[in-house]
Amino acid sequence: AQTVTQSQPEMSVQEAETVTLSCTYDTSESNYYLFWYKQPPSRQMILVIRQEAYKQQNATENRFSVNFQKAAKSFSLKISDSQLGDTAMYFCAFMKHNAGNMLTFGGGTRLMVKP
Amino acid sequence: DSGVTQTPKHLITATGQRVTLRCSPRSGDLSVYWYQQSLDQGLQFLIQYYNGEERAKGNILERFSAQQFPDLHSELNLSSLELGDSALYFCASSVVPGGGNYGYTFGSGTRLTVV
Repeated sequence: AQTVTQSQPEMSVQEAETVTLSCTYDTSESNYYLFWYKQPPSRQMILVIRQEAYKQQNATENRFSVNFQKAAKSFSLKISDSQLGDTAMYFCAFMKHNAGNMLTFGGGTRLMVKP
Repeated sequence: DSGVTQTPKHLITATGQRVTLRCSPRSGDLSVYWYQQSLDQGLQFLIQYYNGEERAKGNILERFSAQQFPDLHSELNLSSLELGDSALYFCASSVVPGGGNYGYTFGSGTRLTVV
């Protein structure tokens, strides 16, 4: 079974600064997908970024980027130029390739962006 | 609006009762997933349907059941409710089983409170 661990329950960052959220996972699979989801106070689960394990290049979506270290089973999220609207819970999630039909989530990191 | 519609948004009911949560997937999506988000256990996968058939089952209690109808909407039935069933229940949908490279699209959730 896969496990996903987010070791930072809470973090804060000043507006316009950069913050990195950590995620580690444990799996015996060689091919899989990794995701970061954002859950603002509205409770909506919003996909932020995704990474395919067989791609060495780190995914980037505007101000959001990841540092994917497959050997270390690490998948951190970097948010650049933090904005007040980035305040939310952030969940790291794992999905097996092909046979995967279930997202395994980490416990989440609560991020507060301060003005 | 994500395109995944969940009703009702809020539900308050007494212990021992039965409730039905409804989900309409995004147009074109054939696969529906149900997740439970409770305060102490994070997001847990319950069950998945694909084109009307059960595809995968997670840690779903025997008191809970679900189905997907020919029009692809899905219902999650929770019976003999206990205080511990209080949680946010999410529905998500994807075009193909597993969500593949695209992850899921989540609805905004149903907040169930059992009193």
